[in-house]
Amino acid sequence: KAGVTQTPRYLIKTRGQQVTLSCSPISGHRSVSWYQQTPGQGLQFLFEYFSETQRNKGNFPGRFSGRQFSNSRSEMNVSTLELGDSALYLCASSLSPGGMETQYFGPGTRLLVL
Amino acid sequence: SQKIEQNSEALNIQEGKTATLTCNYTNYSPAYLQWYRQDPGRGPVFLLLIRENEKEKRKERLKVTFDTTLKQSLFHITASQPADSATYLCALPGGRAAGNKLTFGGGTRVLVKP
Repeated sequence: KAGVTQTPRYLIKTRGQQVTLSCSPISGHRSVSWYQQTPGQGLQFLFEYFSETQRNKGNFPGRFSGRQFSNSRSEMNVSTLELGDSALYLCASSLSPGGMETQYFGPGTRLLVL
Repeated sequence: SQKIEQNSEALNIQEGKTATLTCNYTNYSPAYLQWYRQDPGRGPVFLLLIRENEKEKRKERLKVTFDTTLKQSLFHITASQPADSATYLCALPGGRAAGNKLTFGGGTRVLVKP
């Protein structure tokens, strides 16, 4: 069974631009969560989607948004990029929502904002 | 909301010895706790889940304990090997107010020297 895939793996953007990251969960998994990881803040929860509905949202500004498609694939968008948005963005999938289920993480997208 | 504390200092250990990592949490006691391993530039990989009614869980050379009185979980790597060098993260649900989303500690880096 293929793992969680994320595209692109690396991205360089400039301040003010926007970016869209993509995540394909493990086949059969309907829950997708997004995390931002930085050296200073660690792994921080962005949002969780299940059956195309946002189930949970972390404490991030409205510039961060996401969506989930009927095939469970998910995208997250960051508009008006800031230098502080430079981070590793991780997507995780699980069979169902909630933390009891094992989270399977993708390799991440490393975003650098210049 | 739940706060999770892991020793931010790296743990340097000699090959063959046992590494012991600590995860402390505040506020309410979670129904379960998970441990993940993360290698540089990669997403976390699930290792073990322990429920509140389980005192101890083992998987090969790994052992996790869960003390709801002390609000603490200990993670042991016995007979450590250089390949065990990585960052280890504990995670637990953030509470009902947080939608029970999985919240991660800052992680502890382990370096096993041959």
